[in-house]
Amino acid sequence: AQSVTQLDSHVSVSEGTPVLLRCNYSSSYSPSLFWYVQHPNKGLQLLLKYTSAATLVKGINGFEAEFKKSETSFHLTKPSAHMSDAAEYFCVVSDRYSSASKIIFGSGTRLSIRP
Amino acid sequence: EPEVTQTPSHQVTQMGQEVILRCVPISNHLYFYWYRQILGQKVEFLVSFYNNEISEKSEIFDDQFSVERPDGSNFTLKIRSTKLEDSAMYFCASSAQTDNNEQFFGPGTRLTVL
Repeated sequence: AQSVTQLDSHVSVSEGTPVLLRCNYSSSYSPSLFWYVQHPNKGLQLLLKYTSAATLVKGINGFEAEFKKSETSFHLTKPSAHMSDAAEYFCVVSDRYSSASKIIFGSGTRLSIRP
Repeated sequence: EPEVTQTPSHQVTQMGQEVILRCVPISNHLYFYWYRQILGQKVEFLVSFYNNEISEKSEIFDDQFSVERPDGSNFTLKIRSTKLEDSAMYFCASSAQTDNNEQFFGPGTRLTVL
């Protein structure tokens, strides 16, 4: 069975400094991995996804994530944080070869940006 | 850009009442889902739907819940007799295919049960 663990419930960085949101996963088969962002009172927006192509995935708003099979990790990074990045971020895993279509959400990481 | 829409944005109901949450998935998508997020908790899978039947459902999706695609565009979640613990944000999602599972989410319906 697949699972996902977000190692930090809250991350706070200063504007202009790098962002690192950590995610580890467990999956029986080759996983698909996603990062979604949720701004306050908004829906869930896809930031980026990994589906067995390049291990370094670039997403919207300058975010990227690297799939590391040996570490079972899919950490989200951004070189320079912006105030508008303040939101909740969810790491998500799906088993691509499962007949089930569901995706499993991590518990979320709240990103705060200090001026 | 096509998007998933949900109505209403906020629903307040009395315990024991029936509610229907509505979703309009992206028009060429074939797979539909409902998730919920209780305040302060993680997003939880409820049910997936394909070809006019449930593909998979979670333990949360008990006999009080049902889903339906009454026409070519709407996808509904019905809660027959609401409980206080049903208060949550309910997200609808759709995807064009299942093999890479990219799901597009609606903005959510906040359900408050009093």
